[in-house]
Amino acid sequence: AQSVTQPDIHITVSEGASLELRCNYSYGATPYLFWYVQSPGQGLQLLLKYFSGDTLVQGIKGFEAEFKRSQSSFNLRKPSVHWSDAAEYFCAVGAQTGYSTLTFGKGTMLLVSP
Amino acid sequence: KAGVTQTPRYLIKTRGQQVTLSCSPISGHRSVSWYQQTPGQGLQFLFEYFSETQRNKGNFPGRFSGRQFSNSRSEMNVSTLELGDSALYLCASSLETGANYGYTFGSGTRLTVV
Repeated sequence: AQSVTQPDIHITVSEGASLELRCNYSYGATPYLFWYVQSPGQGLQLLLKYFSGDTLVQGIKGFEAEFKRSQSSFNLRKPSVHWSDAAEYFCAVGAQTGYSTLTFGKGTMLLVSP
Repeated sequence: KAGVTQTPRYLIKTRGQQVTLSCSPISGHRSVSWYQQTPGQGLQFLFEYFSETQRNKGNFPGRFSGRQFSNSRSEMNVSTLELGDSALYLCASSLETGANYGYTFGSGTRLTVV
């Protein structure tokens, strides 16, 4: 069974500082990997996804993530955080074969300080 | 292109009642998945429908059921509501079944059971 761990429940970053949100997954083969963002009271918006190929993927809003197979990680990064980035971020994994659902991590709440 | 539409946005029900939630996927999308989101358990997969057939089911009691219509719209039903069913219910649509097609989420239905 697949699983996702997001070790940080909350992270506070100063506006303009860099950001890295951690995600570790457990899956027997190469998975599909996703990062979603959720603003209060809203649904999930896809930031980026990794299916195969280049391990550094670019997403919307200036986010990027790097797939590291040896570490089973898919960390999300942004070089300069804006106050509007404050939200909850979810990492998710999906299987590449068969019918597949997404398994989500518990999320990391990002707080941006002025 | 219209996104995923979930109705109603908010619901308050009494224990023991039943409730029906609706999801209209993006035009052309044939797969609809449902997730329950709570502060304690995070995002948990309920079920997926594709071409009017349930393709996958999560670990929820039989009180949770769903269906999909020929136009791909989906409904989920929860009978004999319990306080613990209070949650944000998210619907996600996808072009086809399988994680590689990606999922677009609706804004959710907030269910409160009193």
